[in-house]
Amino acid sequence: AQKVTQAQTEISVVEKEDVTLDCVYETRDTTYYLFWYKQPPSGELVFLIRRNSFDEQNEISGRYSWNFQKSTSSFNFTITASQVVDSAVYFCALTDNYGQNFVFGPGTRLSVLP
Amino acid sequence: DAGVTQSPTHLIKTRGQQVTLRCSPKSGHDTVSWYQQALGQGPQFIFQYYEEEERQRGNFPDRFSGHQFPNYSSELNVNALLLGDSALYLCASSLRSSGANVLTFGAGSRLTVL
Repeated sequence: AQKVTQAQTEISVVEKEDVTLDCVYETRDTTYYLFWYKQPPSGELVFLIRRNSFDEQNEISGRYSWNFQKSTSSFNFTITASQVVDSAVYFCALTDNYGQNFVFGPGTRLSVLP
Repeated sequence: DAGVTQSPTHLIKTRGQQVTLRCSPKSGHDTVSWYQQALGQGPQFIFQYYEEEERQRGNFPDRFSGHQFPNYSSELNVNALLLGDSALYLCASSLRSSGANVLTFGAGSRLTVL
């Protein structure tokens, strides 16, 4: 069975601080996909990144970066120089090669204080 | 380009009633998935529809049923409502192809069961 754990329930930082959101996953599949989504108060989940299990390169997109380590089954997300607009709930998700069933973690609520 | 639209946005029902939620996928998408998100939790997969057929189902009872129409829009029906069915119901659309495609989510329908 697939499982996603986000151990940090809530994180509060002051604006301009860096923050890392942890994600640990479990799967028996050799081919799988990992995702990060952001859920602002409006409720709509916004896609941030997709990574397949064969691509372990880290990725940077502006202030966002992701660290994928298969050896530790982790896919962590770092926001550099956080801003108040980054305040939201962030979800890590895992799916198989067919993408029919996304398994989401419980989410991490990030509050960025001015 | 319209994204995923869901209706209604909010509704209140009483135990034992039935409810129908509606979803129009993003233009160009042919697959619709439904997720239930209880307060403070991550979304949980209910089922996925493609070519008007249910392709995969999560761990939800038969009280939850769905339909996909020829124009790719979809409905989620829940019968014999329980208090525990109170949640945000999210519709997500995607384009069926090899690999796991990105899900585009709607803003959800918030159901309250009294």
